Amino acid sequence: DIQMTQSPSSLSASVGDRVTITCRAGQTIGTYLNWYQQTPGKAPQLLIYAASNLQGGVPSRFSGSGSGTEFSLTISSLQPEDFATYYCQQSYDTPGTFGRGTRLE
Amino acid sequence: QLLESGGNLVQPGGSLRLSCAASGFTFSRYAMSWVRQAPGKGLEWVSGVGATGVTRYYAGAVEGRFTVSRDNSKNTLYLQMNSLRAEDTAVYYCVKGREYSSGEVDWFDSWGQGTPVTVSS
Repeated sequence: DIQMTQSPSSLSASVGDRVTITCRAGQTIGTYLNWYQQTPGKAPQLLIYAASNLQGGVPSRFSGSGSGTEFSLTISSLQPEDFATYYCQQSYDTPGTFGRGTRLE
Repeated sequence: QLLESGGNLVQPGGSLRLSCAASGFTFSRYAMSWVRQAPGKGLEWVSGVGATGVTRYYAGAVEGRFTVSRDNSKNTLYLQMNSLRAEDTAVYYCVKGREYSSGEVDWFDSWGQGTPVTVSS
């Protein structure tokens, strides 16, 4: 299985801050990298697919970049509703493994 | 919309069948998967099935114990879980994959609200 490592595991920030979360794959995965947001008690929702493509309905303050083994999710200006846990997931090879999550607080 | 049902408390070694009713999209065109989340833990892909139901894939932890299936005439996805273990305790999410994908590996653009499964004596 391809191991996905997220950093940091938790992050303290304030409304208006610019934050970046990093995800590293255990082997090269091209741009087969996706990002999800999960708020407490709710199901995850897709933010970014294929490394840099914004899912429909997701605010443009979210962006993704990277290829190969190094990827990042950036939120340009944090809003109150963005305080959540973020997961990366590789869709290069089965099983589609997830990172352990980054809690933004 | 994806609506799961069937989660329950079950004893180790027992069985459960989860269902997921889909609406709002052409179900028969899309691969579907199950993803689970143990209490306080991260996300784990469990199983996927292609749009036609012919191709089916499983995580190593559940292979041989779980069976995924779908009924495109009823717009419903299923997960039959046998020989359940304590480590199968989790919220199980029904998730929508890509159009005409095999279901082997996907990103998931729609999630149900989840159904809880607890395996305990």
